[in-house]
Amino acid sequence: SQKIEQNSEALNIQEGKTATLTCNYTNYSPAYLQWYRQDPGRGPVFLLLIRENEKEKRKERLKVTFDTTLKQSLFHITASQPADSATYLCALDTAGNNRKLIWGLGTSLAVNP
Amino acid sequence: GAVVSQHPSRVICKSGTSVKIECRSLDFQATTMFWYRQFPKKSLMLMATSNEGSKATYEQGVEKDKFLINHASLTLSTLTVTSAHPEDSSFYICSATPTGNQPQHFGDGTRLSIL
Repeated sequence: SQKIEQNSEALNIQEGKTATLTCNYTNYSPAYLQWYRQDPGRGPVFLLLIRENEKEKRKERLKVTFDTTLKQSLFHITASQPADSATYLCALDTAGNNRKLIWGLGTSLAVNP
Repeated sequence: GAVVSQHPSRVICKSGTSVKIECRSLDFQATTMFWYRQFPKKSLMLMATSNEGSKATYEQGVEKDKFLINHASLTLSTLTVTSAHPEDSSFYICSATPTGNQPQHFGDGTRLSIL
């Protein structure tokens, strides 16, 4: 069956450092992979989408990589700030007809001042 | 841009009540809307995919007679939890996407508590 794994442990880092979150998947070949941020009691907020033929995508302090051979995506937040503290979700995107997202459990990130 | 409004944000009601949740795309037309359910410390679980003007497609294990979905316009989809029971208590979230392979934009969720 399809499986998505994100860092199971919560991640605690010091302000100013780079946070790196991992998303691994098996038994699937997604067309896209998406990253979202979710704060407690709120809906997810879209951050970045990366296509299967893209190796890397950047947006301000965020960077996502996508290795379809390793079946892995890495999500980096550089110069992290306490306001970056949240749960980060990765989702495999089937694209095309009957498009749907298949979600990981998320990784909780805490950036300490 | 790409704002999705979900209402109400919280509902507390007695067992047996039917509850309607609305999901609106405020600044774009959403040909497809999705309804999710999320339990504490669990991943988002897709319940159904709703396309404007057609019947919703339900995921395996989701009772379509229990969770009625209507997508009557390009900006509005509703989820009605019929005859709700305590086990239906959860966090329900909708999302919407414009045409094409674009990201989903989420509402802020509805916390449903059935007593």
